[in-house]
Amino acid sequence: QVQLQESGPGLVKPSETLSLTCSVSGGSISGYYWTWIRQPAGKAMEWIGRMHSTGSTYYNPSLKSRATVSVDTSMNQFSLELRSVTVADTAMYFCARGVGTGAIGVHFDQWGQGTLVTVSS
Amino acid sequence: VVLTQSPGTLSLSPGDRATLSCRASQTVSSSHLAWYRQKPGQAPRLLIYGASNRATGIPDRFSVSGSGTDFTLTINRLEPEDFAVYYCQHYGDSLWTFGEGTKVEIK
Repeated sequence: QVQLQESGPGLVKPSETLSLTCSVSGGSISGYYWTWIRQPAGKAMEWIGRMHSTGSTYYNPSLKSRATVSVDTSMNQFSLELRSVTVADTAMYFCARGVGTGAIGVHFDQWGQGTLVTVSS
Repeated sequence: VVLTQSPGTLSLSPGDRATLSCRASQTVSSSHLAWYRQKPGQAPRLLIYGASNRATGIPDRFSVSGSGTDFTLTINRLEPEDFAVYYCQHYGDSLWTFGEGTKVEIK
Protein backbone atom coordinates (compact mmCIF):
# COMPACT_ATOMS: atom_id res chain seq x y z
CA GLN A 1 0.00 0.00 0.00
CA VAL A 2 1.57 3.23 -1.15
CA GLN A 3 1.57 6.04 1.40
CA LEU A 4 2.49 9.68 0.99
CA GLN A 5 3.40 12.00 3.86
CA GLU A 6 4.04 15.72 3.65
CA SER A 7 6.48 17.51 5.93
CA GLY A 8 7.71 21.06 6.30
CA PRO A 9 7.22 24.30 8.23
CA GLY A 10 3.69 25.29 9.05
CA LEU A 11 4.50 28.99 9.14
CA VAL A 12 6.34 31.01 6.52
CA LYS A 13 6.95 34.75 6.43
CA PRO A 14 5.83 36.86 3.48
CA SER A 15 8.43 37.15 0.69
CA GLU A 16 10.22 34.01 1.89
CA THR A 17 10.31 30.52 0.34
CA LEU A 18 7.89 27.75 1.25
CA SER A 19 9.60 24.35 1.21
CA LEU A 20 7.74 21.05 1.57
CA THR A 21 8.75 17.42 1.17
CA CYS A 22 6.61 14.41 0.42
CA SER A 23 7.93 11.00 1.46
CA VAL A 24 6.71 8.03 -0.55
CA SER A 25 6.62 4.62 1.11
CA GLY A 26 5.41 1.23 -0.05
CA GLY A 27 6.01 1.86 -3.72
CA SER A 28 8.36 3.13 -6.37
CA ILE A 29 8.82 6.65 -7.63
CA SER A 30 9.13 5.39 -11.20
CA GLY A 31 6.37 5.81 -13.74
CA TYR A 32 4.23 8.44 -12.07
CA TYR A 33 3.50 12.16 -11.96
CA TRP A 34 4.52 13.47 -8.54
CA THR A 35 2.32 16.45 -7.90
CA TRP A 36 1.57 19.23 -5.45
CA ILE A 37 -1.95 20.54 -5.00
CA ARG A 38 -3.18 23.16 -2.57
CA GLN A 39 -6.52 24.11 -1.11
CA PRO A 40 -7.22 27.39 0.69
CA ALA A 41 -9.70 27.00 3.53
CA GLY A 42 -13.20 26.50 2.20
CA LYS A 43 -12.12 26.76 -1.41
CA ALA A 44 -11.45 24.50 -4.37
CA MET A 45 -8.22 22.72 -5.06
CA GLU A 46 -5.52 24.25 -7.21
CA TRP A 47 -2.86 22.25 -8.97
CA ILE A 48 0.62 23.71 -8.38
CA GLY A 49 3.07 21.63 -10.35
CA ARG A 50 4.41 18.20 -11.09
CA MET A 51 7.45 16.24 -12.01
CA HIS A 52 7.20 12.95 -13.85
CA SER A 53 9.67 10.29 -12.78
CA THR A 54 11.37 10.78 -16.15
CA GLY A 55 12.28 14.30 -15.06
CA SER A 56 9.80 16.37 -17.03
CA THR A 57 8.16 19.18 -15.09
CA TYR A 58 5.17 21.41 -15.61
CA TYR A 59 3.66 24.15 -13.51
CA ASN A 60 0.42 26.02 -13.15
CA PRO A 61 0.95 29.22 -15.18
CA SER A 62 -0.98 31.18 -12.55
CA LEU A 63 1.95 30.82 -10.17
CA LYS A 64 4.15 32.90 -12.45
CA SER A 65 7.23 30.69 -12.24
CA ARG A 66 7.44 30.82 -8.43
CA ALA A 67 7.21 27.03 -8.01
CA THR A 68 9.78 24.27 -8.41
CA VAL A 69 9.08 20.55 -7.97
CA SER A 70 11.96 18.12 -7.68
CA VAL A 71 12.20 14.37 -7.16
CA ASP A 72 14.87 12.49 -5.22
CA THR A 73 14.59 8.89 -6.37
CA SER A 74 17.31 7.70 -3.98
CA MET A 75 15.29 8.96 -1.01
CA ASN A 76 11.89 8.10 -2.53
CA GLN A 77 10.64 11.60 -1.98
CA PHE A 78 9.76 14.73 -3.85
CA SER A 79 9.71 18.38 -2.89
CA LEU A 80 8.07 21.72 -3.54
CA GLU A 81 9.63 25.17 -3.35
CA LEU A 82 7.35 28.16 -3.69
CA ARG A 83 9.19 31.46 -3.71
CA SER A 84 8.13 34.97 -2.73
CA VAL A 85 5.07 33.81 -0.84
CA THR A 86 2.23 36.11 0.19
CA VAL A 87 -0.77 35.62 2.45
CA ALA A 88 -2.63 34.37 -0.63
CA ASP A 89 -0.42 31.26 -0.53
CA THR A 90 -1.89 30.23 2.83
CA ALA A 91 -3.50 26.84 2.23
CA MET A 92 -3.53 23.14 2.93
CA TYR A 93 -0.86 21.61 0.72
CA PHE A 94 -1.28 18.07 -0.55
CA CYS A 95 1.17 15.84 -2.34
CA ALA A 96 -0.34 13.33 -4.71
CA ARG A 97 0.58 10.60 -7.15
CA GLY A 98 -0.64 11.06 -10.69
CA VAL A 99 -1.21 7.96 -12.78
CA GLY A 100 -2.06 7.66 -16.45
CA THR A 101 -0.83 9.19 -19.66
CA GLY A 102 -1.53 12.24 -21.73
CA ALA A 103 -3.50 10.10 -24.11
CA ILE A 104 -5.85 8.55 -21.59
CA GLY A 105 -5.82 11.20 -18.89
CA VAL A 106 -3.99 11.52 -15.59
CA HIS A 107 -5.73 11.27 -12.24
CA PHE A 108 -4.56 11.21 -8.62
CA ASP A 109 -4.88 7.82 -6.98
CA GLN A 110 -2.85 8.39 -3.84
CA TRP A 111 -2.72 11.49 -1.65
CA GLY A 112 -0.91 12.64 1.43
CA GLN A 113 -2.97 13.79 4.40
CA GLY A 114 -2.03 17.38 3.72
CA THR A 115 -0.08 19.97 5.66
CA LEU A 116 -1.34 23.42 6.55
CA VAL A 117 0.96 26.26 5.63
CA THR A 118 0.24 29.73 6.90
CA VAL A 119 1.97 32.77 5.47
CA SER A 120 2.20 35.45 8.11
CA SER A 121 4.73 37.81 9.62
CA VAL B 1 -10.58 24.29 -19.26
CA VAL B 2 -12.82 25.70 -16.54
CA LEU B 3 -15.02 23.22 -14.71
CA THR B 4 -18.28 24.44 -13.21
CA GLN B 5 -20.01 22.19 -10.73
CA SER B 6 -23.63 22.42 -9.69
CA PRO B 7 -25.43 22.63 -7.47
CA GLY B 8 -23.18 24.13 -4.85
CA THR B 9 -24.99 22.21 -2.13
CA LEU B 10 -27.31 19.23 -2.32
CA SER B 11 -29.47 18.41 0.71
CA LEU B 12 -30.56 14.79 0.71
CA SER B 13 -31.43 11.93 3.04
CA PRO B 14 -29.68 8.58 3.42
CA GLY B 15 -31.01 6.21 0.78
CA ASP B 16 -31.67 9.03 -1.73
CA ARG B 17 -30.03 9.38 -5.13
CA ALA B 18 -27.59 12.24 -5.67
CA THR B 19 -27.05 13.78 -9.09
CA LEU B 20 -24.04 16.08 -9.39
CA SER B 21 -23.17 18.07 -12.49
CA CYS B 22 -19.79 19.07 -13.91
CA ARG B 23 -19.77 21.37 -16.93
CA ALA B 24 -16.60 22.10 -18.89
CA SER B 25 -15.93 25.39 -20.65
CA GLN B 26 -15.04 23.50 -23.82
CA THR B 27 -15.49 20.03 -25.19
CA VAL B 28 -13.35 17.52 -23.33
CA SER B 29 -12.80 13.81 -23.53
CA SER B 30 -14.61 11.90 -20.83
CA SER B 31 -11.49 9.79 -20.44
CA HIS B 32 -9.69 12.85 -19.12
CA LEU B 33 -12.18 13.44 -16.32
CA ALA B 34 -12.01 12.15 -12.77
CA TRP B 35 -14.14 12.54 -9.67
CA TYR B 36 -13.11 12.74 -6.01
CA ARG B 37 -14.83 12.74 -2.64
CA GLN B 38 -13.43 14.79 0.21
CA LYS B 39 -14.56 14.51 3.80
CA PRO B 40 -13.81 17.32 6.28
CA GLY B 41 -10.19 17.39 7.35
CA GLN B 42 -9.20 14.64 4.94
CA ALA B 43 -7.46 14.36 1.61
CA PRO B 44 -9.62 13.79 -1.45
CA ARG B 45 -10.25 10.20 -2.44
CA LEU B 46 -10.40 9.10 -6.05
CA LEU B 47 -13.82 7.74 -7.00
CA ILE B 48 -13.99 7.44 -10.77
CA TYR B 49 -11.48 8.05 -13.56
CA GLY B 50 -11.19 7.59 -17.29
CA ALA B 51 -14.88 8.18 -17.94
CA SER B 52 -16.33 5.29 -15.97
CA ASN B 53 -13.67 3.34 -14.11
CA ARG B 54 -14.29 3.05 -10.41
CA ALA B 55 -11.24 3.26 -8.19
CA THR B 56 -10.33 0.42 -5.87
CA GLY B 57 -12.94 -0.12 -3.19
CA ILE B 58 -15.55 2.20 -4.73
CA PRO B 59 -18.95 0.47 -4.94
CA ASP B 60 -21.11 0.38 -8.05
CA ARG B 61 -23.51 2.85 -6.43
CA PHE B 62 -21.25 5.44 -8.04
CA SER B 63 -21.52 6.03 -11.77
CA VAL B 64 -20.67 8.73 -14.30
CA SER B 65 -22.38 9.70 -17.53
CA GLY B 66 -22.13 12.43 -20.11
CA SER B 67 -20.02 13.65 -22.96
CA GLY B 68 -18.79 16.80 -24.61
CA THR B 69 -19.12 19.51 -21.98
CA ASP B 70 -21.69 18.05 -19.58
CA PHE B 71 -20.99 15.25 -17.16
CA THR B 72 -22.91 13.81 -14.25
CA LEU B 73 -21.88 11.84 -11.19
CA THR B 74 -24.74 9.77 -9.80
CA ILE B 75 -24.67 8.24 -6.34
CA ASN B 76 -27.43 5.73 -5.67
CA ARG B 77 -28.69 4.88 -2.18
CA LEU B 78 -26.72 7.48 -0.25
CA GLU B 79 -24.92 6.11 2.79
CA PRO B 80 -23.66 8.16 5.75
CA GLU B 81 -20.09 8.14 4.38
CA ASP B 82 -21.29 9.74 1.14
CA PHE B 83 -22.11 13.05 2.78
CA ALA B 84 -19.06 15.04 1.75
CA VAL B 85 -17.78 17.38 -0.96
CA TYR B 86 -17.32 16.06 -4.49
CA TYR B 87 -14.93 17.46 -7.08
CA CYS B 88 -14.55 16.83 -10.76
CA GLN B 89 -11.07 17.16 -12.30
CA HIS B 90 -9.81 17.44 -15.86
CA TYR B 91 -6.40 16.74 -17.29
CA GLY B 92 -5.32 18.14 -20.63
CA ASP B 93 -2.27 19.78 -22.25
CA SER B 94 -0.21 18.95 -19.16
CA LEU B 95 -2.58 20.95 -16.96
CA TRP B 96 -5.00 19.88 -14.27
CA THR B 97 -8.08 21.82 -13.24
CA PHE B 98 -10.63 21.13 -10.55
CA GLY B 99 -14.22 22.19 -10.21
CA GLU B 100 -15.40 24.23 -7.25
CA GLY B 101 -17.09 21.24 -5.69
CA THR B 102 -20.59 20.13 -4.72
CA LYS B 103 -21.36 19.55 -1.07
CA VAL B 104 -23.78 16.72 -0.35
CA GLU B 105 -25.27 17.33 3.06
CA ILE B 106 -27.79 15.52 5.20
CA LYS B 107 -31.26 16.99 4.88
